[in-house]
Amino acid sequence: DAGITQSPRHKVTETGTPVTLRCHQTENHRYMYWYRQDPGHGLRLIHYSYGVKDTDKGEVSDGYSVSRSKTEDFLLTLESATSSQTSVYFCAISAADLGIAYEQYFGPGTRLTVT
Amino acid sequence: GDSVTQMEGPVTLSEEAFLTINCTYTATGYPSLFWYVQYPGEGLQLLLKATKADDKGSNKGFEATYRKETTSFHLEKGSVQVSDSAVYFCANSGGYQKVTFGIGTKLQVIP
Repeated sequence: DAGITQSPRHKVTETGTPVTLRCHQTENHRYMYWYRQDPGHGLRLIHYSYGVKDTDKGEVSDGYSVSRSKTEDFLLTLESATSSQTSVYFCAISAADLGIAYEQYFGPGTRLTVT
Repeated sequence: GDSVTQMEGPVTLSEEAFLTINCTYTATGYPSLFWYVQYPGEGLQLLLKATKADDKGSNKGFEATYRKETTSFHLEKGSVQVSDSAVYFCANSGGYQKVTFGIGTKLQVIP
């Protein structure tokens, strides 16, 4: 199994509070991703990173920010949590090579509830 | 933009039945195609992949063939087991290192 951990695994927070989710990998893969999974929507990309300090937005990036100061860590921050951000969040990693699409490896997920 | 279409389900089958989950895609260029599986309470795992037209991906009795002419990548298994109960996601990597996922198809296999 790919070495990907997410913390915390479960979190309940109140509307308006900041929340940071952490993804840690031991594979030294270049690409890291944050997704959210919601019924009826499948997996939607929030942000991704293609290297240290290199990040870009996905399709549902509003209300989220990310940072990657080290290859192994990718942080997702909800600056002011809202109930619409209640979801299961998955981190994924992928190797990279020009012109080749590698598969992604997923972490176990973080279940976030915003009350 | 890139997209993937699959039925949400649930698909309910009896053990040893034949399984087909349809997947069609749109993409610019020449995407790679993937099937991922998600068991309850876990993250997604790669089930199989195909990187070019007419390639067949296979794993654990599951197969899918990359059909460029019909833009499809249907998942099949000849005889399902209760342990195959899970959610199956079709995915398309039309963009460089970005993957578009379908909404997932829930499979329930009953004894």
